[in-house]
Amino acid sequence: QVQLQESGPGLVKPSETLSLTCTVSGGSVNNYYWSWIRQPPGKGLQWIGYVYHSGVTNYYPSLKSRVTISLDTSRNQLSLRLSSVTAADTAVYYCARPYSGTSYDTFDVWGQGTMVTVSS
Amino acid sequence: SYELTQPPSVSVSPGQTASLTCSGDKLGDRYACWYQQRPGQSPVLVIYQDTQRPSGIPERFSGSNSGNTATLTISGAQPMDEADYYCQAWGSSTVVFGGGTKLTVL
Repeated sequence: QVQLQESGPGLVKPSETLSLTCTVSGGSVNNYYWSWIRQPPGKGLQWIGYVYHSGVTNYYPSLKSRVTISLDTSRNQLSLRLSSVTAADTAVYYCARPYSGTSYDTFDVWGQGTMVTVSS
Repeated sequence: SYELTQPPSVSVSPGQTASLTCSGDKLGDRYACWYQQRPGQSPVLVIYQDTQRPSGIPERFSGSNSGNTATLTISGAQPMDEADYYCQAWGSSTVVFGGGTKLTVL
């Protein structure tokens, strides 16, 4: 079955750019709207945005000016870049796939998550 | 922006029925889904399209959605069901999560 694995630095300095990769195994990145979702410590889930293999993206409004999500179909990976980070961006970051190729949401496949701390 | 509201906590005794609610403006006009998240683990989809259970999810989990409220019902709650539960819907062209409900079974 499809498995997702997030990777990237666990520590990022304030004002720098957070960069994460999600590697997809057991399936193709094509034909799905792939999302990044984060969860600050002790808090709830926050959707960051999605990307489709055509390059279409959609971002959460309050993060839109700082976020870039992209797909590398040759490597079967998606990536997240979040610029000008602050302590408020400290969270576990998940990549996730919807249950259907025509759905933007309703995620039945999640990565294990990767903790990113923003601190000097 | 669209918002979903969940009570912060619900407690039930083992074997009782737990009803977790999720409120949003005309939520019944869109699909809602539910995730279970145990401590230190990734969320797991337990209900989608209001009432559908993914394969592998026990039959004691059921869902409904009407008016302004979606409800996740756990019939005969077990200690293993103790977790955080999040509702989610599509609203204002974005994915929206509720704030989550901590279910305690004891």
